[in-house]
Amino acid sequence: AQRVTQPEKLLSVFKGAPVELKCNYSYSGSPELFWYVQYSRQRLQLLLRHISRESIKGFTADLNKGETSFHLKKPFAQEEDSAMYYCALRDGSGNTGKLIFGQGTTLQVKP
Amino acid sequence: KAGVTQTPRYLIKTRGQQVTLSCSPISGHRSVSWYQQTPGQGLQFLFEYFSETQRNKGNFPGRFSGRQFSNSRSEMNVSTLELGDSALYLCASSLRTLTRNSEQYFGPGTRLTVT
Repeated sequence: AQRVTQPEKLLSVFKGAPVELKCNYSYSGSPELFWYVQYSRQRLQLLLRHISRESIKGFTADLNKGETSFHLKKPFAQEEDSAMYYCALRDGSGNTGKLIFGQGTTLQVKP
Repeated sequence: KAGVTQTPRYLIKTRGQQVTLSCSPISGHRSVSWYQQTPGQGLQFLFEYFSETQRNKGNFPGRFSGRQFSNSRSEMNVSTLELGDSALYLCASSLRTLTRNSEQYFGPGTRLTVT
């Protein structure tokens, strides 16, 4: 079955603390993994794409095919990071736009 | 570049009616995908249109349909509305060829309430 699992509905940390948002996937083919973020009253926007291997707003994510995980990390959380984060998967063949989303994790960064 | 736009932003309909939602992709993007977002089911893929053809379809009943025009604008239609169709409907556009697909950019959504 094709599935993306984000085990935490809510993650609450203090400003300056490290953050790790977990994402595990189940997919029989070769997937592309993404992290999307939704700030309050804003549209869903792309944060990271695993093939880009970029660091955006201090966030990084590494695809671990052995553990089928794509955890999102940031060494020092900022209050402006408070948002809803979605992990998503797409077939890596390039011939589909279908994204499979996890249920999302709300990140709350306390001052 | 202007982002993905969706109209209308809010809609209230009665059970049994039908509704049409519109999505205008980013200029140059030829692929449009539609998603339904609900608190219980999260974000679920409805369908994708590319070059005026439906390329992929999610697991939704036939009451949900869509189309894409030659300018890449897309519409989705829901017939015989049910209370459970109340949701935020998102569309996303991307640069796409037959064998490659870029990241998807999302619109603000249309909030549909069925009473």
